[in-house]
Amino acid sequence: NAGVTQTPKFQVLKTGQSMTLQCAQDMNHEYMSWYRQDPGMGLRLIHYSVGAGITDQGEVPNGYNVSRSTTEDFPLRLLSAAPSQTSVYFCASSSYTRGTNTQYFGPGTRLTVL
Amino acid sequence: AQKVTQAQTEISVVEKEDVTLDCVYETRDTTYYLFWYKQPPSGELVFLIRRNSFDEQNEISGRYSWNFQKSTSSFNFTITASQVVDSAVYFCALSESSGNKLVFGAGTILRVKS
Repeated sequence: NAGVTQTPKFQVLKTGQSMTLQCAQDMNHEYMSWYRQDPGMGLRLIHYSVGAGITDQGEVPNGYNVSRSTTEDFPLRLLSAAPSQTSVYFCASSSYTRGTNTQYFGPGTRLTVL
Repeated sequence: AQKVTQAQTEISVVEKEDVTLDCVYETRDTTYYLFWYKQPPSGELVFLIRRNSFDEQNEISGRYSWNFQKSTSSFNFTITASQVVDSAVYFCALSESSGNKLVFGAGTILRVKS
């Protein structure tokens, strides 16, 4: 298993540009989520999904969109990038039906918005 | 609302010293999960342990041990005989009963010097 994969690893955007961060998992996990990591603040939940076709907002959803058309993929869209969205983004997945309830994280995407 | 506090921003120790990382949490849920993750300089998030709220047994895994005390809402992590490879940022996290929607502490930077 590749686990949770994220692309790209690094990205530089200009203010106002849009882009999509990709996340995929091959563990057939129902639950997927996106977090952002900022210095001194730990990780904060942006959006999450409990299964294909179902998404919901986390703690800091503004400026981001998500969709979940398949179990494997959970892309994060930045509609109009702002410098405040400069951060490291992590995708995670877990399986609650199998009782593990442990979220496994991808390698992260470092995003800089100029 | 759930909250996790890691009061120690940064700890420096000399190799072979024991070190304890503190984690205090707040939740109104009776069923919840606590986690520790390690983030080495390479940036990925490595799962270390998960503990549910009904299991207060301490756990030992090699040089790592965890002390869960519901009476003080703490879930502390001790590294015995620290090594340079233990240098990392350590995050404590809390989730609801599903194990999803993690709330992270701000993290503790551990520096182990040789």
